[in-house]
Amino acid sequence: DTGVSQDPRHKITKRGQNVTFRCDPISEHNRLYWYRQTLGQGPEFLTYFQNEAQLEKSRLLSDRFSAERPKGSFSTLEIQRTEQGDSAMYLCASSLAGPGTGTDTQYFGPGTRLTVL
Amino acid sequence: GEDVEQSLFLSVREGDSSVINCTYTDSSSTYLYWYKQEPGAGLQLLTYIFSNMDMKQDQRLTVLLNKKDKHLSLRIADTQTGDSAIYFCAHDGLSGGYNKLIFGAGTRLAVHP
Repeated sequence: DTGVSQDPRHKITKRGQNVTFRCDPISEHNRLYWYRQTLGQGPEFLTYFQNEAQLEKSRLLSDRFSAERPKGSFSTLEIQRTEQGDSAMYLCASSLAGPGTGTDTQYFGPGTRLTVL
Repeated sequence: GEDVEQSLFLSVREGDSSVINCTYTDSSSTYLYWYKQEPGAGLQLLTYIFSNMDMKQDQRLTVLLNKKDKHLSLRIADTQTGDSAIYFCAHDGLSGGYNKLIFGAGTRLAVHP
């Protein structure tokens, strides 16, 4: 399977705990995005990496959230001191962007569903 | 997001055509996209259209873009039960930066026999 993969698919945690999610993008894709989707809504942008550099962060990404892409391949999203409002589907997407590649078409993974009790 | 609006629900009979509509506010959008999401799953890219085109056809899918009215539609011909899902319209553009997508809330398509 050469698509975007995410792990875990589901995470249940208690309020105040830290959680970490992993995303493996499509091989050779240089851009990686994180989105959050709450029930009944479309995905909302959280942050974006070009290779290993984190180039943009949404105002939705509070200080409790941190994302990394240390080697320009997989990425992790950590939420510290989780709150019930963090319950959502966290989606990762990747794309190949650059001269001659046309649109920055994003391909999504299956998501990690977080439930904070 | 309030930048992109979609009707919430559409019900069609199997074999009929479905038309899902979307309006957006950002006139600087370069590309507009349609994604499909099945229950508990991620988003599957269906098709996209460049903003200087007014129509794109891909097998059973036809995308129409009226840039003047900022209206995008997705027509699914010969709708099947497997098409039942939530369909999201999205765009890039200056209000979100060219590197992030702005999504509507999605249209739930229900296909019945």
